[in-house]
Amino acid sequence: GQNIDQPTEMTATEGAIVQINCTYQTSGFNGLFWYQQHAGEAPTFLSYNVLDGLEEKGRFSSFLSRSKGYSYLLLKELQMKDSASYLCAVKDSNYQLIWGAGTKLIIKP
Amino acid sequence: DAMVIQNPRYQVTQFGKPVTLSCSQTLNHNVMYWYQQKSSQAPKLLFHYYDKDFNNEADTPDNFQSRRPNTSFCFLDIRSPGLGDAAMYLCATSSRWADSSYEQYFGPGTRLTVT
Repeated sequence: GQNIDQPTEMTATEGAIVQINCTYQTSGFNGLFWYQQHAGEAPTFLSYNVLDGLEEKGRFSSFLSRSKGYSYLLLKELQMKDSASYLCAVKDSNYQLIWGAGTKLIIKP
Repeated sequence: DAMVIQNPRYQVTQFGKPVTLSCSQTLNHNVMYWYQQKSSQAPKLLFHYYDKDFNNEADTPDNFQSRRPNTSFCFLDIRSPGLGDAAMYLCATSSRWADSSYEQYFGPGTRLTVT
């Protein structure tokens, strides 16, 4: 079966750095996405990785290792508004998006 | 601004009473998706359309139907809602299916309550 694993919940302090990990086992790989979802709202796109390495976009960076089936999302200079769920999703060989259940990130002052 | 719109944002229906959720998009995207998402769970794909080609996920219950009368609009019909169908229903679009880099754009969702 296809599987995406992420921690259920993480807590971090305002101004700090946090890394959210994602491991995947899918039938084929056509890219990995990270989405942010605030409570009661729709997911919004954060980043896309298809090649190994780090993609940086402002305070957010995403890393991919295809050989390890592993990605992480790095959030720097955390702000209270970063409190949200972060969903990892992988496009499989049929270009279908397989979603993780998300990591709820709690930011404390 | 180009966007994905869902109406209503909140819907309350009675057990067994049919309900229709609507989605429209101004992005002119070929692909439209309906997802069901329950609290703290991954979005579950119910259907997707590539243009007018309808694709039903294997485990989508028969109770759920969908229509796409034109590029801009898509509807989700729940014929006989049960208590287990209470969830957030998300509509999403993307410009292409078989292109790995194209992300999905989501509407704000419709939260369905079944009483």
